[in-house]
Amino acid sequence: NAGVMQNPRHLVRRRGQEARLRCSPMKGHSHVYWYRQLPEEGLKFMVYLQKENIIDESGMPKERFSAEFPKEGPSILRIQQVVRGDSAAYFCASSPPGWSYEQYFGPGTRLTVT
Amino acid sequence: KNQVEQSPQSLIILEGKNCTLQCNYTVSPFSNLRWYKQDTGRGPVSLTIMTFSENTKSNGRYTATLDADTKQSSLHITASQLSDSASYICVVSASSNYQLIWGAGTKLIIKP
Repeated sequence: NAGVMQNPRHLVRRRGQEARLRCSPMKGHSHVYWYRQLPEEGLKFMVYLQKENIIDESGMPKERFSAEFPKEGPSILRIQQVVRGDSAAYFCASSPPGWSYEQYFGPGTRLTVT
Repeated sequence: KNQVEQSPQSLIILEGKNCTLQCNYTVSPFSNLRWYKQDTGRGPVSLTIMTFSENTKSNGRYTATLDADTKQSSLHITASQLSDSASYICVVSASSNYQLIWGAGTKLIIKP
């Protein structure tokens, strides 16, 4: 049973470009969470999705950021018109139904904005 | 405001020694507390999950304690190994929602 997959592992974008981060949850998991981690800081919740539904996006900036988890395929975190402050590690976690269950984390995508 | 604070910020110990990491939280209402290990450049991996009624829980050389009255937890590592070098993160879940409140972590370095 493969773990949570994220790609790419490293992504370099110039200011103003778009960044697309992908997350494939563990088999059987229908819940996906996205987190952002700045250097030397803890993880910060961004968004919680179930298939075709955004449950909670309270941690996600209102502009330039969007997330989806379609019926088929991976969850996508999209950052439009990236700025230097978007440089961070973005982690995806998945869990089976029920918020109190364990969250299993992917290896993260390190975004660098130049 | 829901917060999780960890101490020390960083710790260096010799291989084979024991150490204890601390976590204080102000999350309410409390649901559970988790300790994660995060290796450099990797995603966090769960070590333990403790609910309100659990005072202590072990996972190999890792033993976590929880005092729900004082809102404190500790993670004790015995007979440390070089592979224990990582950040250890205390995470608290509020029963009012599914969001996890993350501490900033303790960076542990084991020296040979």
